[in-house]
Amino acid sequence: AQSVTQLDSHVSVSEGTPVLLRCNYSSSYSPSLFWYVQHPNKGLQLLLKYTSAATLVKGINGFEAEFKKSETSFHLTKPSAHMSDAAEYFCVVRGGGATNKLIFGTGTLLAVQP
Amino acid sequence: GAVVSQHPSWVICKSGTSVKIECRSLDFQATTMFWYRQFPKQSLMLMATSNEGSKATYEQGVEKDKFLINHASLTLSTLTVTSAHPEDSSFYICSARVFTGELFFGEGSRLTVL
Repeated sequence: AQSVTQLDSHVSVSEGTPVLLRCNYSSSYSPSLFWYVQHPNKGLQLLLKYTSAATLVKGINGFEAEFKKSETSFHLTKPSAHMSDAAEYFCVVRGGGATNKLIFGTGTLLAVQP
Repeated sequence: GAVVSQHPSWVICKSGTSVKIECRSLDFQATTMFWYRQFPKQSLMLMATSNEGSKATYEQGVEKDKFLINHASLTLSTLTVTSAHPEDSSFYICSARVFTGELFFGEGSRLTVL
């Protein structure tokens, strides 16, 4: 069965410093992995996705994530945080077989300090 | 990208009443929509998969008679919480799948049952 573990429930960074949000996955298949962002009172927005092409995936708003099979990780990074990046971030794996379901991690709340 | 709209965004109701939440795909047709529930500070849990013109597929542990899902058209799915109780208070989110397989999420509907 597929699952994802987000290692940090809260991350706080200063504006202009790098962001690292950690995610480890478990999958018996070659997984499809996603990062979604949820701003307060807004729907989830897809940041980026990995679907077995390039292991370094670039997303919107300067975010990127690297798929590392040896470490079963898919950490989300950004070189320089902006105040508008403050939100909740979800690491997601797509279920295998015929289900095609999305399985969400518990989320990481990113705070950006001025 | 595609737009998914939920209505209402916030609803308060008395215990024992029923509440209907709508999920609309505004600029595309969605044969499949998904309903999620998000508890405070927790991840999204898939409740059911809604297929246009057929019965919804519910996840294990979700009461189908409690959470009625109707997907009567290619642009509208509804979730009705019947005989709502305070423990049904939650954030309900829908998503719709476009032909590429990508999912787009609604803004969510916050239900508070008094």
